[in-house]
Amino acid sequence: GENVEQHPSTLSVQEGDSAVIKCTYSDSASNYFPWYKQELGKGPQLIIDIRSNVGEKKDQRIAVTLNKTAKHFSLHITETQPEDSAVYFCAASLSGSARQLTFGSGTQLTVLP
Amino acid sequence: EAGVAQSPRYKIIEKRQSVAFWCNPISGHATLYWYQQILGQGPKLLIQFQNNGVVDDSQLPKDRFSAERLKGVDSTLKIQPAKLEDSAVYLCASTLRLENNEQFFGPGTRLTVL
Repeated sequence: GENVEQHPSTLSVQEGDSAVIKCTYSDSASNYFPWYKQELGKGPQLIIDIRSNVGEKKDQRIAVTLNKTAKHFSLHITETQPEDSAVYFCAASLSGSARQLTFGSGTQLTVLP
Repeated sequence: EAGVAQSPRYKIIEKRQSVAFWCNPISGHATLYWYQQILGQGPKLLIQFQNNGVVDDSQLPKDRFSAERLKGVDSTLKIQPAKLEDSAVYLCASTLRLENNEQFFGPGTRLTVL
């Protein structure tokens, strides 16, 4: 089955700086890569996603890049704010009707004021 | 639009007891998922429903876990008997259709087994 590895497990940045979180996946058939943000006591919330036919996607301060050859994808957050502090999870999904997600182990991002 | 509802939010039981969790997905969402999230880890899929049918339960420990979605709307996940290693947050998620990618998650139920 699919295996997703995520690094780093913890990340501290100063407010206004950029944060980068990286993930690798094992199954070359995976074609959908979402990123979820989980705040304390809440369920994960989708913040951005990318499909394998696209190399980069941007939404305001958040961007995701995908390298299919190397089987890795990254989340970039620019101009970080204290409210960006949370746990971020990457995930990968195989093509087909099941749409089952395999999640990474998470990154605790702390934005220091 | 109301989100995915789950109850209870917290549950503390002793090992070998039984427990049940309830999930009401977003109205009209046909696909429902139950995940187990152990502290410090990502969510792990337990079971997936399409309407009232099971799509995949290959990762559900069927000797102690069971789940149903009888009318194709809300769902119940049960553990009987519970073990210490079942301590985790149990998340429910739903999508509009099987082919949809975005999963909407509920707040989860935090289970502590003593």
